[in-house]
Amino acid sequence: DAGITQSPRHKVTETGTPVTLRCHQTENHRYMYWYRQDPGHGLRLIHYSYGVKDTDKGEVSDGYSVSRSKTEDFLLTLESATSSQTSVYFCAISKEGGYGYTFGSGTRLTVV
Amino acid sequence: AQTVTQSQPEMSVQEAETVTLSCTYDTSENNYYLFWYKQPPSRQMILVIRQEAYKQQNATENRFSVNFQKAAKSFSLKISDSQLGDTAMYFCARPDNNAGNMLTFGGGTRLMVKP
Repeated sequence: DAGITQSPRHKVTETGTPVTLRCHQTENHRYMYWYRQDPGHGLRLIHYSYGVKDTDKGEVSDGYSVSRSKTEDFLLTLESATSSQTSVYFCAISKEGGYGYTFGSGTRLTVV
Repeated sequence: AQTVTQSQPEMSVQEAETVTLSCTYDTSENNYYLFWYKQPPSRQMILVIRQEAYKQQNATENRFSVNFQKAAKSFSLKISDSQLGDTAMYFCARPDNNAGNMLTFGGGTRLMVKP
């Protein structure tokens, strides 16, 4: 969507390797989020950020870490990928107040 | 934890007919937003409609409308004159004001519009 991009769009990686997904925004929004989407579960929050260097855990944070060194970038890292982390990952951004959210196009990650 | 429940994993409707997707949620807040998102096979998350809890009037967007029952914590989506392009996953969601306004999603309803 306009103002937010995710990279890569697809990735296949081997079990045990580190993986970093990038979310980049041009909207200067305060909040950024990483979700994963699995069949039957909808989207579940992994981590979120409420400012530069300010992050917190979500519902399914085990095995993931994040960093936000600039307003525009929010990185999601799988330190040692496992097959259970095969999923579609979405980044989202929002302003204050929970009024509106913009989603990236998603990254399909396959861990073999 | 806040929860959002969609009780219909799959639904189907004939083209041009009307269908209603159900959603219930929990909250201890008085003022909040509620959302319906559409996810077509392209997997892009598209905002369908938004409701503000303090507004009594149900939100409408062209063929899409909601039935918002605040006391019952119910937020259903009605699609009128269904079109083939409405075939998609639909997710109900609400922000958690105590957790960075993170969106909590229901499990989704897969809607198939049949010709």
